[in-house]
Amino acid sequence: DTEVTQTPKHLVMGMTNKKSLKCEQHMGHRAMYWYKQKAKKPPELMFVYSYEKLSINESVPSRFSPECPNSSLLNLHLHALQPEDSALYLCASSRLSMETQYFGPGTRLLVL
Amino acid sequence: AQSVTQPDIHITVSEGASLELRCNYSYGATPYLFWYVQSPGQGLQLLLKYFSGDTLVQGIKGFEAEFKRSQSSFNLRKPSVHWSDAAEYFCAVALSVYNQGGKLIFGQGTELSVKP
Repeated sequence: DTEVTQTPKHLVMGMTNKKSLKCEQHMGHRAMYWYKQKAKKPPELMFVYSYEKLSINESVPSRFSPECPNSSLLNLHLHALQPEDSALYLCASSRLSMETQYFGPGTRLLVL
Repeated sequence: AQSVTQPDIHITVSEGASLELRCNYSYGATPYLFWYVQSPGQGLQLLLKYFSGDTLVQGIKGFEAEFKRSQSSFNLRKPSVHWSDAAEYFCAVALSVYNQGGKLIFGQGTELSVKP
């Protein structure tokens, strides 16, 4: 089973709202990732967690705040987003970093 | 700098025809290479990967890819395309970041259209 789940599937939020995206995997993977993808573009890496510790932050604005409460769960907390943050947010996991990444279906975010 | 190039932004093939999607990489060490497929509004699905060994790798859905070190290429092929193969295809290389782990470097993607 190589399933990564993400909730919600769709999210609409105003620029003053606070919301969270959730990602879960039960494959025993110890590396988890957040990506942002705009239409017709490849995914852009935002954050990497390895063994529940933040290992890579690709200079993402502080209005995005990741959290890894345990080895199966990854959250992305959103606050005071801008309309240009509207995108598909993808979560991925791998057994260890540098190994094959498995992607979730994504959360389609619209910021009004 | 490490990079992945997919020279074709958009390709159209007829159903039943053969397909080859091109991917070139720039990476100093032996690369870990991947092909992913993405249908509109969906996540990425792994088609196949190359880490080492046999340079011709088989994947899901009848796809295969060949690693050619001399040409820095990892082209994806399918002998007979089905209408359901219409999607965006991404080639990627895994990059090791010192003391931080690894991350994927993606090409810009190739959009495949299939005509009846």
